Amino acid sequence: DIQMTQSPSTLSASVGDRVTITCRASQRISSWLAWYQQKPGKAPKLLIYKASSLESGVPSRFSGSGSGTEFTLTISSLQPDDFATYYCQQYDTYYNFGQGTKLEIK
Amino acid sequence: EVQLVQSGAEVRKPGEPLKISCKASGYSFTSYRIGWVRQMPGKSLEWMAIIYPGDSETTYGPSFQGQVTISADKSISTAYLQWSSLKASDTAMYYCARPISGSVDYWGQGTLVTVSS
Repeated sequence: DIQMTQSPSTLSASVGDRVTITCRASQRISSWLAWYQQKPGKAPKLLIYKASSLESGVPSRFSGSGSGTEFTLTISSLQPDDFATYYCQQYDTYYNFGQGTKLEIK
Repeated sequence: EVQLVQSGAEVRKPGEPLKISCKASGYSFTSYRIGWVRQMPGKSLEWMAIIYPGDSETTYGPSFQGQVTISADKSISTAYLQWSSLKASDTAMYYCARPISGSVDYWGQGTLVTVSS
């Protein structure tokens, strides 16, 4: 079973900040990683797939990088709508999510 | 337009059976896998099970094997998740989800299941 570990668990930031969330896999998963945004009471929304490909319609301030076991999601300039919880998900062997990173307003 | 529309919220007692549904539209139901994701209150997301409606091949997450059953009815483009005997710990939001090459591009709106005596 591949374990996904996100850091930090909580991140406080301000509008306009550049933020980075990290996701580590317990074994190599090539680039089979996605990032999602979830707001309270809503289904998750796909942001990034295959580690660095931007889903259609997602603002370009979101970007993903990494391969193997270490991955990052970067938001270049935080907007008010970006305060939410973010999850990574591996799909190399079955599917597993990270524990989530809650992005809060500082 | 692709849509996944789930059945409504359910309240059950421990030990009772339950079957929830997810009706797909806007795409070829038999050409994509569809699965269920659990989110317990305040917790992360967990893949429970996935089915390929084209041949009914199923895969269960290690924690869910033997605990739930996933199925699909191709004739009405609907996927199901069922329990034979609910526990209080099954209280959660359940999402159906369509993975494409692994990442999920479409999600249902969620079905809240509450199990309480």
